[in-house]
Amino acid sequence: DTEVTQTPKHLVMGMTNKKSLKCEQHMGHRAMYWYKQKAKKPPELMFVYSYEKLSINESVPSRFSPECPNSSLLNLHLHALQPEDSALYLCASFPLAGRRTEAFFGQGTRLTVV
Amino acid sequence: AQTVTQSQPEMSVQEAETVTLSCTYDTSESDYYLFWYKQPPSRQMILVIRQEAYKQQNATENRFSVNFQKAAKSFSLKISDSQLGDAAMYFCALTSNSGYALNFGKGTSLLVTP
Repeated sequence: DTEVTQTPKHLVMGMTNKKSLKCEQHMGHRAMYWYKQKAKKPPELMFVYSYEKLSINESVPSRFSPECPNSSLLNLHLHALQPEDSALYLCASFPLAGRRTEAFFGQGTRLTVV
Repeated sequence: AQTVTQSQPEMSVQEAETVTLSCTYDTSESDYYLFWYKQPPSRQMILVIRQEAYKQQNATENRFSVNFQKAAKSFSLKISDSQLGDAAMYFCALTSNSGYALNFGKGTSLLVTP
């Protein structure tokens, strides 16, 4: 199984809503990432978890709250978002044991904030 | 800090012809990895090719090959016999074996014409 699964695929939420994005992988990768990507722009790194601990937080606003409950699962909790937060949110995983062969990406969650 | 620079926002190639996409990078690490990822309109990130910095031989995957110039910190992608399905955004990316960040360049949009 070389898949990273993200749910939901699409999400529309109001500025007062609370929602969560979910990412799952069963490849035994111990690094998991959240990226934000606007149309025709590169992915922007938001958070990195390594060995289930937050390793990198790229000064992301607190309305985004990551969580890594176990080595296979990564969540991104959303609260009080702004319309400019509308974007594709990509999850990725990377092996840490041995060589860094490839980062695997999920298909993303297309988020629209209204 | 590590940075990746792609100076060609758009490139165009005719079917069956060859095109080269440029990438330069900067890192203070000695053990690092470089990647080319393709992102078609579906926005699924797909690994095209990877290069480990300690390997002097340029990586090749079928019609895709790289020109890795370590001293110049240059990592270009050559696509031979271009096909319509090669049309996509191409991102150059960099990570090191001692850290967790996977950073992307701004991308090059490749158009393939019949």
